[in-house]
Amino acid sequence: KAGVTQTPRYLIKTRGQQVTLSCSPISGHRSVSWYQQTPGQGLQFLFEYFSETQRNKGNFPGRFSGRQFSNSRSEMNVSTLELGDSALYLCASSLEQGAQPQHFGDGTRLSIL
Amino acid sequence: GNSVTQMEGPVTLSEEAFLTINCTYTATGYPSLFWYVQYPGEGLQLLLKATKADDKGSNKGFEATYRKETTSFHLEKGSVQVSDSAVYFCALLNQAGTALIFGKGTTLSVSS
Repeated sequence: KAGVTQTPRYLIKTRGQQVTLSCSPISGHRSVSWYQQTPGQGLQFLFEYFSETQRNKGNFPGRFSGRQFSNSRSEMNVSTLELGDSALYLCASSLEQGAQPQHFGDGTRLSIL
Repeated sequence: GNSVTQMEGPVTLSEEAFLTINCTYTATGYPSLFWYVQYPGEGLQLLLKATKADDKGSNKGFEATYRKETTSFHLEKGSVQVSDSAVYFCALLNQAGTALIFGKGTTLSVSS
């Protein structure tokens, strides 16, 4: 069974640009959560999507948004990139909303120049 | 609010040494508790979990016991291997059951 797939693995952008990250959950998993990992703040919850609807949201500005498609694949978008957005973005999937355990992908490393 | 505090790393051990990584939490009620491990260049993998007080989670020689009286969930292993070198994260599930709250992570380095 394939795991959670995140693309791309690495991304370099400049300030002010926008970026879209993709996450394909484990087959049959309907919930997708996104986390940001930085050396200073550690792992922080961004949002969770289930049935194409954002169900929960962490404490991040509106520049961070996402969506989920009917096949449960999810995308995360960050607009007007700032240097502080440099991070590893992790996606996790689970069977149902709020279900545990969550299965994590290997992440997308975003670097802002 | 919910929070998780882990011991600062890095933790450096020789192969076959005993490992303890301390984790304490602050939360409303009795949240489910988890240990995740992150190997270099990879995402997080669930190592073990406990869902209620006095539960002991175990996997791959690692153990952790849910202690509600001390609000702790310390990770232990009797004999570490070089392959255990990784970053270990303690986490709790928030009361709504909607998000994991992570500690800052503890880097473990095991040498032969």
